[in-house]
Amino acid sequence: DIQMTQSPSTLSASVGDRVTITCRASQSIGSWLAWFQQKPGKAPKLLIYKASTLESGVPSRFSGSGSGTEFTLTISSLQPDDFATFYCQQYNSYWTFGQGTKVEIK
Amino acid sequence: EVQLVESGGGLVQPGGSLRVSCEASGFIFSNYNMNWVRQAPGKGLEWVSYISSATTIYYADSVKGRFTISRDNAKDLLYLQMNSLRDEDTAVYYCARGARRQLVDVFDIWGPGTMVTVSS
Repeated sequence: DIQMTQSPSTLSASVGDRVTITCRASQSIGSWLAWFQQKPGKAPKLLIYKASTLESGVPSRFSGSGSGTEFTLTISSLQPDDFATFYCQQYNSYWTFGQGTKVEIK
Repeated sequence: EVQLVESGGGLVQPGGSLRVSCEASGFIFSNYNMNWVRQAPGKGLEWVSYISSATTIYYADSVKGRFTISRDNAKDLLYLQMNSLRDEDTAVYYCARGARRQLVDVFDIWGPGTMVTVSS
């Protein structure tokens, strides 16, 4: 099974900050990685797929990069609506999520 | 509007059974692969099961032999039959659509979820 590890688990930031979240796979997954945003009590929302492709309607301040085993999600300028938990997901072999990164207000 | 809505959650005793459903609307359900994903209280996301439009089926090891996924394309419904339920199956259960993006499915549409609580 492919394991996904995110870091950090929690991140404190201010509006306007540049934020980076890292996701590592236990084996190479090519570019078969997605990022989701989840707010409390709500379903996850797809942000990025194939490591760097922005889903339609997602603001351009979100970007993704990486391939193989190491990936990053970057928010270029954090907005009030962005405070949430973010999950990476590999879909190279079945589907596995990272444990999540909570972005909270500093 | 493209939408998924789950139903059927509730309280069930350990060892019991429950069936949750997911009703699709706003798209041609029969053309899409579908998934169940769950989230235990305060925890992360766990993929549970997959069914293709052609009824290829996969399960996570944690539910294999206990859970059964199925679909009724005539009624635009996805099901998850859960038997031999354990405390650790307590979670919000989400259905998620698999949409083809560059040859591979991504989970692009999710329902709001239905809560399943396993407790005596």
